[in-house]
Amino acid sequence: DAGVIQSPRHEVTEMGQEVTLRCKPISGHDYLFWYRQTMMRGLELLIYFNNNVPIDDSGMPEDRFSAKMPNASFSTLKIQPSEPRDSAVYFCASKGVSYEQYFGPGTRLTVT
Amino acid sequence: AQKVTQAQTEISVVEKEDVTLDCVYETRDTTYYLFWYKQPPSGELVFLIRRNSFDEQNEISGRYSWNFQKSTSSFNFTITASQVVDSAVYFCALSEANTDKLIFGTGTRLQVFP
Repeated sequence: DAGVIQSPRHEVTEMGQEVTLRCKPISGHDYLFWYRQTMMRGLELLIYFNNNVPIDDSGMPEDRFSAKMPNASFSTLKIQPSEPRDSAVYFCASKGVSYEQYFGPGTRLTVT
Repeated sequence: AQKVTQAQTEISVVEKEDVTLDCVYETRDTTYYLFWYKQPPSGELVFLIRRNSFDEQNEISGRYSWNFQKSTSSFNFTITASQVVDSAVYFCALSEANTDKLIFGTGTRLQVFP
């Protein structure tokens, strides 16, 4: 079975540009999570969805960040406008009936 | 409040040595879940184990073993006869029963030298 799929794997963009990260969860999983990993702050939860509905977005840094889950097999995390401090690895994870989350390979974002 | 502490920032061992990674957690809930994840140099996060708060039995999986002690709020991870392929950052995480959030520790970087 395919795991969590994220695209792109690497993204380099200039400050002020819009960035869209994509995630396809494991089929049948009804929870989807977006995390950000940086050296300074470690792994932090940004937002998560249950059955396509956002449950907790308290980790979203500011209004420049938005996330959507239009259906059970697709989610996006958008940053507009991007800033150099947004540079990080962004992980998507999904969870089914068990309690463990399964992570995608991550998207390494560099904003210059 | 929930908190996970991994006091060991980095550990270096030589192949075949045993190594223990410490994890101490804080929670007010009586029902919670503890996890270990591995992040190899390639960057992905790999799930290793989940333990429920009501199950204090230790677990062994090959060279890996986990020691869960509620009395000391610890969930330590031991690798027996370490190998170079064990080199990675290992994260301990906690989730309370009434939330789906994972709270991660800061991770322990393990380097195994040949």
